[in-house]
Amino acid sequence: GEEVAQTPKHLVRGEGQKAKLYCAPIKGHSYVFWYQQVLKNEFKFLISFQNENVFDETGMPKERFSAKCLPNSPCSLEIQATKLEDSAVYFCASSSPGQLLLNYGYTFGSGTRLTVV
Amino acid sequence: KQEVTQIPAALSVPEGENLVLNCSFTDSAIYNLQWFRQDPGKGLTSLLLIQSSQREQTSGRLNASLDKSSGRSTLYIAASQPGDSATYLCAVRRRTGGFKTIFGAGTRLFVKA
Repeated sequence: GEEVAQTPKHLVRGEGQKAKLYCAPIKGHSYVFWYQQVLKNEFKFLISFQNENVFDETGMPKERFSAKCLPNSPCSLEIQATKLEDSAVYFCASSSPGQLLLNYGYTFGSGTRLTVV
Repeated sequence: KQEVTQIPAALSVPEGENLVLNCSFTDSAIYNLQWFRQDPGKGLTSLLLIQSSQREQTSGRLNASLDKSSGRSTLYIAASQPGDSATYLCAVRRRTGGFKTIFGAGTRLFVKA
């Protein structure tokens, strides 16, 4: 498809529970990026993939957060033992090598709102 | 470390007014600068992207400028409309660091009818 599909749109988890978010990039896009948007619009880069390989993980918290992009499956972002401060909207974006090399922007999904209670 | 700052944080204007949103960044070594619009509870819509070699881009009532040497960009919105009410985010892609994009905190715009 021509949109980045993120599921679910909303996710509520009790503190300590696991949360798993999914992102289906645009067909043909081999780069996937995850961002976390906390209150007051602060966007934080988490991790990027080139196909199934981690491209840049400098934004990923060392503990509890993990992500995968496996062939023929949506990419996933998993948070083990969620904490209240994990409450945020998690955005996924995808891009093609051509888009990146030509200096074009990404295409963003509409996000998953995670609420930890 | 690249930091992106947007001023003002919030802006309320009457319909029809022309307005300017400001964005500044600390490291001029950027690939590009992009302006996004975000409506409440929604994702990001790309408005304009300025490559590092360009000085401005225009789309309809929107004009974005880039001055790399001073680390500044402006988004000019002409003849504002209530439908322009949204949060406007400025984002820069660094020359290093895996195509990572650094976002500003945004300007919340409200256009009164």
